Amino acid sequence: GAGVSQSPSNKVTEKGKDVELRCDPISGHTALYWYRQSLGQGLEFLIYFQGNSAPDKSGLPSDRFSAERTGGSVSTLTIQRTQQEDSAVYLCASSSRLSREAGNEQFFGPGTRLTVL
Amino acid sequence: AQSVTQLDSHVSVSEGTPVLLRCNYSSSYSPSLFWYVQHPNKGLQLLLKYTSAATLVKGINGFEAEFKKSETSFHLTKPSAHMSDAAEYFCVVITGRRALTFGSGTRLQVQP
Repeated sequence: GAGVSQSPSNKVTEKGKDVELRCDPISGHTALYWYRQSLGQGLEFLIYFQGNSAPDKSGLPSDRFSAERTGGSVSTLTIQRTQQEDSAVYLCASSSRLSREAGNEQFFGPGTRLTVL
Repeated sequence: AQSVTQLDSHVSVSEGTPVLLRCNYSSSYSPSLFWYVQHPNKGLQLLLKYTSAATLVKGINGFEAEFKKSETSFHLTKPSAHMSDAAEYFCVVITGRRALTFGSGTRLQVQP
């Protein structure tokens, strides 16, 4: 079956513009995560959706970042008034309902490379 | 809080020789630990996972890792390196919020 997909694969924008990044998780996966991979910061957790529960936004670096997940499937990460330090690869991952046996394996998409000029 | 420390940012080995990538963890309870690999311009792929069922975990592509509670370590090994193993490797722990906390990564170079 299809894996996690993300679009666009690359996005170049000007400082101050808003951007939207999209993630299509694996069908049936209830958990969805956003991470950011940048030079000097490594891989950082941003936000976590689980089913219909309120998302865990504790990793979002500022209020310019927001995310939503419609219908428990597709998710959009929005960055408002982009800054140069937002340049990074944004990764989405999904997993099935947490169980100790499943070990909460997360399946990653290929990422969106964001460049803010 | 759970965290992992990867002790080497770069490791270089010759093809056919053993690979050792070191990881130490910090956790207040029995952790769930993973190793992920990232090849250039490709997504993250799970190599193996430890969830307390067995301390020696075998993964894909001949890799394995041993959970040692006494040493708080989860080192990744492979008996014989291939050129295709050249990539970045991440030791990962699940935090209480079920997100992954990544180590800083180890770049593995394989020399012919």
